[in-house]
Amino acid sequence: AQSVTQLGSHVSVSEGALVLLRCNYSSSVPPYLFWYVQYPNQGLQLLLKYTTGATLVKGINGFEAEFKKSETSFHLTKPSAHMSDAAEYFCAVRGLGGSQGNLIFGKGTKLSVKP
Amino acid sequence: EPEVTQTPSHQVTQMGQEVILRCVPISNHLYFYWYRQILGQKVEFLVSFYNNEISEKSEIFDDQFSVERPDGSNFTLKIRSTKLEDSAMYFCASSGRDRGPYEQYFGPGTRLTVT
Repeated sequence: AQSVTQLGSHVSVSEGALVLLRCNYSSSVPPYLFWYVQYPNQGLQLLLKYTTGATLVKGINGFEAEFKKSETSFHLTKPSAHMSDAAEYFCAVRGLGGSQGNLIFGKGTKLSVKP
Repeated sequence: EPEVTQTPSHQVTQMGQEVILRCVPISNHLYFYWYRQILGQKVEFLVSFYNNEISEKSEIFDDQFSVERPDGSNFTLKIRSTKLEDSAMYFCASSGRDRGPYEQYFGPGTRLTVT
């Protein structure tokens, strides 16, 4: 069955510090993995995705994530946090429902950035 | 940049009433979805819609729910007789053939409160 676990419902970092948001997945098929960001009062915005190919994927706003099959992980990182990165981040894996793109989400991690 | 829009942003209704949540997907997209997020819980898939019919639905999407694309631009979710447990944020999403069904663009959501 498909599932996603995000460790830490709330992560706080200082501005300029490394951001690391953890995501572990379970998938009975080769996984397609996604990170979405949600700013207050806005919809979910796709940050990056892994489908096949290179395991280190780069996304918008300086974020990247590495697919590690042996660890069933897809952690999100950013070398230097900005105040504007404060938001909620969701990891997702594709579901098993054919080709229509059902996404299975984690519970989300709220990132706070301290000045 | 094109975006998915949803109306209303907040809907309050009494238990047993019917509600219709509206979405305008990105204009050239072909796949449409509804998700919901109960406060403090995961974003959950409800239904996907393609070629004027439901292509997949979750077990949450029971007979109380229906979707429709009444014209070329709107995509609606109807809940026939709302229950307290239907209180949640409802997200609409769409995706296009160019980037495949997995790159979904989300609207800002409608917060439904059932009293």
